[in-house]
Amino acid sequence: AQSVTQLDSQVPVFEEAPVELRCNYSSSVSVYLFWYVQYPNQGLQLLLKYLSGSTLVKGINGFEAEFNKSQTSFHLRKPSVHISDTAEYFCAVSRMDSSYKLIFGSGTRLLVRP
Amino acid sequence: DSGVTQTPKHLITATGQRVTLRCSPRSGDLSVYWYQQSLDQGLQFLIHYYNGEERAKGNILERFSAQQFPDLHSELNLSSLELGDSALYFCASSGGTDGDQPQHFGDGTRLSIL
Repeated sequence: AQSVTQLDSQVPVFEEAPVELRCNYSSSVSVYLFWYVQYPNQGLQLLLKYLSGSTLVKGINGFEAEFNKSQTSFHLRKPSVHISDTAEYFCAVSRMDSSYKLIFGSGTRLLVRP
Repeated sequence: DSGVTQTPKHLITATGQRVTLRCSPRSGDLSVYWYQQSLDQGLQFLIHYYNGEERAKGNILERFSAQQFPDLHSELNLSSLELGDSALYFCASSGGTDGDQPQHFGDGTRLSIL
């Protein structure tokens, strides 16, 4: 079975500061990795994905994430956050099988303060 | 706009009732996934359909059922509703069953059981 752990339920940060949202996963088989963002009263929007190849992946809105196989981590980073980045961020994995259903972490609320 | 349409946006009903949630996938997408988001369980996979056939099931209650029609829209039926079924129900679609095609989410249906 697969599982995803997001240790930080909330991360407060000041505007223009860097941020890192942590994600660790557990799986006995290969998986694809994703970060989604959820703004209030909206659905989930894909930020970025790791399928294979370069371990550093870049996404929308200036976000990037680095896949670390040995540490089974996929942390999300942004060098300078904006007030508009305030949202809930979800890390997810999908197993490489016939369904590719997403297994989500519990989410991290990023709160950007002026 | 993800291209995935969910109706209705809000649904308020009473215990013991039955409701139907509808999802129209992005044009050309063959896969439809249903997820439930609640405060205590987080985001949970319910069921996956591909081109009209059930592909995978998650922790979906026996009181819940789904189907995908020939025009590829999908419906999630919830019966004998309980207070604990109150949640946000998301539909997502993707181009196929390959994990490298990300899932695109609708804005969800918020179900409130009184």
